[in-house]
Amino acid sequence: AQSVTQPDIHITVSEGASLELRCNYSYGATPYLFWYVQSPGQGLQLLLKYFSGDTLVQGIKGFEAEFKRSQSSFNLRKPSVHWSDAAEYFCAVGAGGGYQKVTFGIGTKLQVIP
Amino acid sequence: NAGVTQTPKFQVLKTGQSMTLQCAQDMNHNSMYWYRQDPGMGLRLIYYSASEGTTDKGEVPNGYNVSRLNKREFSLRLESAAPSQTSVYFCASSEEGGGSYGYTFGSGTRLTVV
Repeated sequence: AQSVTQPDIHITVSEGASLELRCNYSYGATPYLFWYVQSPGQGLQLLLKYFSGDTLVQGIKGFEAEFKRSQSSFNLRKPSVHWSDAAEYFCAVGAGGGYQKVTFGIGTKLQVIP
Repeated sequence: NAGVTQTPKFQVLKTGQSMTLQCAQDMNHNSMYWYRQDPGMGLRLIYYSASEGTTDKGEVPNGYNVSRLNKREFSLRLESAAPSQTSVYFCASSEEGGGSYGYTFGSGTRLTVV
């Protein structure tokens, strides 16, 4: 069975500092991996996704993520955080095939302090 | 703007009442989904429709029914609401399977059952 672990429930960073949000997954084959962002009162928005190719993927809003098969990780990074990045971030793993099951992590809430 | 539209945004129901949550997408996506989001539990799939004319159960279908009215619209019905169904409900769509393409989410319906 596939699963996703986001070990940090809540992270606080200063504006302008770098950010790394951790995600570990469990899946038997090559996974589809996603990061979504949810601003308060809003739905989730897709930041980036990975399936194959270059293990460093670029997304919207200046985010990137690196796939490390040996560590079963797909961590999200941003070099310099802006106050508008305060939100909740969800990692997800997807399966191909007919059902296309997607499993979401429980999320990491990011607080940005001035 | 193109996207997924959900109505209503907020709803309070009494135990035993029924209601239908509406969802429409204008991106010509084939697949549509209903999720619920509860604190500490991430997102859980209620029902999905891989294509027009088909619907299937997800992880937590009990107490819900769905209708894929046409390619654009996918509704979720609570026949007899229970307090355990208090949650935020999200509709999502994807080109094909969300497990590989990723989802576009609506902004959600916050439902309280008293």
